Amino acid sequence: EPEVTQTPSHQVTQMGQEVILRCVPISNHLYFYWYRQILGQKVEFLVSFYNNEISEKSEIFDDQFSVERPDGSNFTLKIRSTKLEDSAMYFCASRRRGNILNYGYTFGSGTRLTVV
Amino acid sequence: KQEVTQIPAALSVPEGENLVLNCSFTDSAIYNLQWFRQDPGKGLTSLLLIQSSQREQTSGRLNASLDKSSGRSTLYIAASQPGDSATYLCAVFNQAGTALIFGKGTTLSVSS
Repeated sequence: EPEVTQTPSHQVTQMGQEVILRCVPISNHLYFYWYRQILGQKVEFLVSFYNNEISEKSEIFDDQFSVERPDGSNFTLKIRSTKLEDSAMYFCASRRRGNILNYGYTFGSGTRLTVV
Repeated sequence: KQEVTQIPAALSVPEGENLVLNCSFTDSAIYNLQWFRQDPGKGLTSLLLIQSSQREQTSGRLNASLDKSSGRSTLYIAASQPGDSATYLCAVFNQAGTALIFGKGTTLSVSS
């Protein structure tokens, strides 16, 4: 069964450093998403991406965050200057083209980001 | 603003029991509702997707129902097994946006 692949699975970074989280969505999917889950809290929406542009973003997704689809397969989330509160599990998800009624999300296994 | 609530927060049952997990949402204007399973420290595995026009969906020992007008969904697990131990998340897809909105989940523990 097709999977969404995320790398790395764990990343530790120092406060103030830039990090890039990588995702390879399912090949025939056209809608891409990043979510995050702080330990013990709900999964929260960050950003959705379609047709090479952001279609929606949450209040969390401020100027420190950016997303990019640099080629036909990768989808990245960049955090420019990490803060302690950015420590969380970050999930990439994708959805196929078609009626939203019919097609759900497929999530990757996540990247655990620890900012020290 | 859509809010999704799941009760109970945690549930412990002996193997073989049938059980029901509950999910409620405040805005009934949804496209669909999706149930996920999350193992500790792992990703989200989709279990069932219910379209807004449907009343229920079944997959193996799992049955999910949806009552959009009352803002409720239930996930029924039949003949529970220790391998079912995980956190179960409910998420709704609003008509107002493009994002899934999650509940906090129910953590299930099935003892042998």
